[in-house]
Amino acid sequence: EVLLVQSGEEVKKPGESLKISCQFSGYNFTDKWIGWVRLKSGRGLEWMGVIYSTDSDTRYSPSFDGQVTLSADDSIDTAFLHWSGLRASDSAFYYCTTTDRIGGPWTHWGQGSLVTVSS
Amino acid sequence: QSMLTQPPSVSAAPGQTVTISCSGSGANIGSYYVSWYQQVPGTAPKLVIYENRRRPPGIPDRISGSKSGTSATLTISGLQIVDEADYYCGTWDTHLGNGVFGGGTSLTVL
Repeated sequence: EVLLVQSGEEVKKPGESLKISCQFSGYNFTDKWIGWVRLKSGRGLEWMGVIYSTDSDTRYSPSFDGQVTLSADDSIDTAFLHWSGLRASDSAFYYCTTTDRIGGPWTHWGQGSLVTVSS
Repeated sequence: QSMLTQPPSVSAAPGQTVTISCSGSGANIGSYYVSWYQQVPGTAPKLVIYENRRRPPGIPDRISGSKSGTSATLTISGLQIVDEADYYCGTWDTHLGNGVFGGGTSLTVL
């Protein structure tokens, strides 16, 4: 069974850093594009960016460029989404997903990670 | 504001047919395949249509998709309560160099 397993719920304060993870299980991590998607109440799904598992080629959506960092470690079949300084507006659900080619369908999805940023 | 435009909501009675439209541009829908995702609140999105009209294993044939030019359509016939969810169209955008989603359509089965 193909599983993308994301790290659990996080509660952080503004200004803190955070790295959430997405580990592949039962699915070849090699030669895959991993995407990160944000879901905020009332805003729908938003693309944050994509990263290629093999060489870490990364492309950020304009709205998220400079706000987050994507990374991938193929030795542990895991992708990461990192904030260096969280803001309250980052409170949302975050999903990882994967495709085998740019422009292809995002076939498998993680269960989602809830991030809450509050003082 | 989403690059792809969907109606915010649609509704119909069980057994009826609904269509959800998705309008884009030559930089996205006009250049790439369209996928559709179903999201039941509280769960992860699920791929229901890819390459404009193809269904992944396990998706019933009463769910179908089509594309013409810079627009795409999702059709669900024989509506069931289990179809209640948010539906998003998605594709790639050449100008953004990234994926794009529509704003999502909330389907209510009356």
